Amino acid sequence: NAGVTQTPKFRVLKTGQSMTLLCAQDMNHEYMYWYRQDPGMGLRLIHYSVGEGTTAKGEVPDGYNVSRLKKQNFLLGLESAAPSQTSVYFCASSQQAWGYQETQYFGPGTRLLVL
Amino acid sequence: EDQVTQSPEALRLQEGESSSLNCSYTVSGLRGLFWYRQDPGKGPEFLFTLYSAGEEKEKERLKATLTKKESFLHITAPKPEDSATYLCAVQVIYGGSQGNLIFGKGTKLSVKP
Repeated sequence: NAGVTQTPKFRVLKTGQSMTLLCAQDMNHEYMYWYRQDPGMGLRLIHYSVGEGTTAKGEVPDGYNVSRLKKQNFLLGLESAAPSQTSVYFCASSQQAWGYQETQYFGPGTRLLVL
Repeated sequence: EDQVTQSPEALRLQEGESSSLNCSYTVSGLRGLFWYRQDPGKGPEFLFTLYSAGEEKEKERLKATLTKKESFLHITAPKPEDSATYLCAVQVIYGGSQGNLIFGKGTKLSVKP
């Protein structure tokens, strides 16, 4: 039981390049999330998904796209990377109970540097 | 606007010196409050969930408590391995966030031997 895994662990991009971050969970969770974490700021929600085939915007969605084609995977895409997207990206997943999201479990993170 | 504020930003303790971390919140309706621990270069690790005022939960040297406006994470006789950043997050009942978590900025705890 690996929990939540993320690939890659670290990536350097040039401005304007594109890339996709992959998140996978083996806990059969319905909900999945993408956050970014920047120095001096709390975790901020980028996009989330309440089930296979669904996505929704979070607090800071601009410049990112997501897809959830399979229940266990949640992809985060950067179409044209900007230096402001330099950050640490965390994926999380949670189960649903009584109409609410339960505890979120996080992956190890992807460090992205955009030059 | 829903807000979560953690204090202090950083806390340095000697081994064995007990203390508390604070998480105050202003939300339209609280469904739950979560505490996480984050080690450098790693993802947040779940510690506790508290749902109602007066609730308390314990795990080893950590004890979390909840009131109507704030939560405390009490650390009793800390050890160097307790050094980490502790994150607080609230889950709201109402509003556009639809049950998503709102995180504070964290308290960085350092415990010296």
